[in-house]
Amino acid sequence: GESVGLHLPTLSVQEGDNSIINCAYSNSASDYFIWYKQESGKGPQFIIDIRSNMDKRQGQRVTVLLNKTVKHLSLQIAATQPGDSAVYFCAETQAGTALIFGKGTTLSVSS
Amino acid sequence: EAQVTQNPRYLITVTGKKLTVTCSQNMNHEYMSWYRQDPGLGLRQIYYSMNVEVTDKGDVPEGYKVSRKEKRNFPLILESPSPNQTSLYFCASSLSSGSGYEQYFGPGTRLTVT
Repeated sequence: GESVGLHLPTLSVQEGDNSIINCAYSNSASDYFIWYKQESGKGPQFIIDIRSNMDKRQGQRVTVLLNKTVKHLSLQIAATQPGDSAVYFCAETQAGTALIFGKGTTLSVSS
Repeated sequence: EAQVTQNPRYLITVTGKKLTVTCSQNMNHEYMSWYRQDPGLGLRQIYYSMNVEVTDKGDVPEGYKVSRKEKRNFPLILESPSPNQTSLYFCASSLSSGSGYEQYFGPGTRLTVT
């Protein structure tokens, strides 16, 4: 599968590959993290979340990994499909304060 | 259907002409928030509200006002719009402000100020 070690604004993968989107967060006190998917012309849509007392959480075809030591979050999408093409944002928050969004990664899936 | 609605979806206006963008949610959510989205800057929070009559500034509140008189509505007011407020605006709501509550976003309002 295709992955990025550091945050990159774009990621291109082939249909069926696994995708890994990375995010570095800023506040070591953040205790809740969310991944959003934003399709063209639409608002962000919740994908998966994770609390700071966990290091991994799985959903349907998606997995979020949290490494608090290096303040790093990643989203893994298994068997990427054309419908997964979108901009993906990570977001962090501390105890219900403002959500801070990352800059986003555009995922392009070609068939 | 559970949703967050915004009106208008598109608006072109002139500098200094007061405008209001409405936001309404039908999920009985306590927490509501406004964001603006700009190329290269991502989503930034303007104002948020933890409940009726409780509002607070986000990261970029200058030039905006909000009110929360009813639980379901959270209008965004631009008293004197300027061209640097040209942006894509999103309203969002969640059950609570506490960590662990998913935010639902509206479809967005594209505002152009000339």
